[in-house]
Amino acid sequence: EADIYQTPRYLVIGTGKKITLECSQTMGHDKMYWYQQDPGMELHLIHYSYGVNSTEKGDLSSESTVSRIRTEHFPLTLESARPSHTSQYLCASSEPGQGYQETQYFGPGTRLLVL
Amino acid sequence: GENVEQHPSTLSVQEGDSAVIKCTYSDSASNYFPWYKQELGKRPQLIIDIRSNVGEKKDQRIAVTLNKTAKHFSLHITETQPEDSAVYFCAPTRYSGSARQLTFGSGTQLTVLP
Repeated sequence: EADIYQTPRYLVIGTGKKITLECSQTMGHDKMYWYQQDPGMELHLIHYSYGVNSTEKGDLSSESTVSRIRTEHFPLTLESARPSHTSQYLCASSEPGQGYQETQYFGPGTRLLVL
Repeated sequence: GENVEQHPSTLSVQEGDSAVIKCTYSDSASNYFPWYKQELGKRPQLIIDIRSNVGEKKDQRIAVTLNKTAKHFSLHITETQPEDSAVYFCAPTRYSGSARQLTFGSGTQLTVLP
């Protein structure tokens, strides 16, 4: 089934550790995004990509990095986790539709807790 | 960048009543206006959208209206049901060629009381 997947779903980690949040989509979409969201709160765009080898920073300053080596895969890495990184991270992908329509499809999210 | 404001931030209605959420944006070049719904613990999902050349769109109990002159669009939910309880986000979007600028609003927590 075409979908967007994120692993892990939950992660508890100590300060200073390096972590990678995985995101994969099987919908063949070129565009992918990472958002940071505290539960029920505003969605903040931290990274996006328009295709392979394309990555851009979003509106919210982030100490994370991303890569896009394959169309279906868009991992996010934190080199040194801190308690301020505690949040939920949502991955999304999109494909243009008719006219200006473009639906964003979100993954289930990764809830990160940094101790 | 685009300034997006959603009002109200929280809204409680009795089951069966109507709910209206308003989204105001600053970029007059925005040309696509979606609304997303996020239920507790779940991922956001698109529920309705409208393009800039259309004033209103309906889909069963939900509708979106657009006032491009005033730069705002609204989500209308009629005959509300408990399953409508969620956080709703607007996301005014500007397309320029292949580039796209989307900004999510801060969200509105809707609670439908039985």
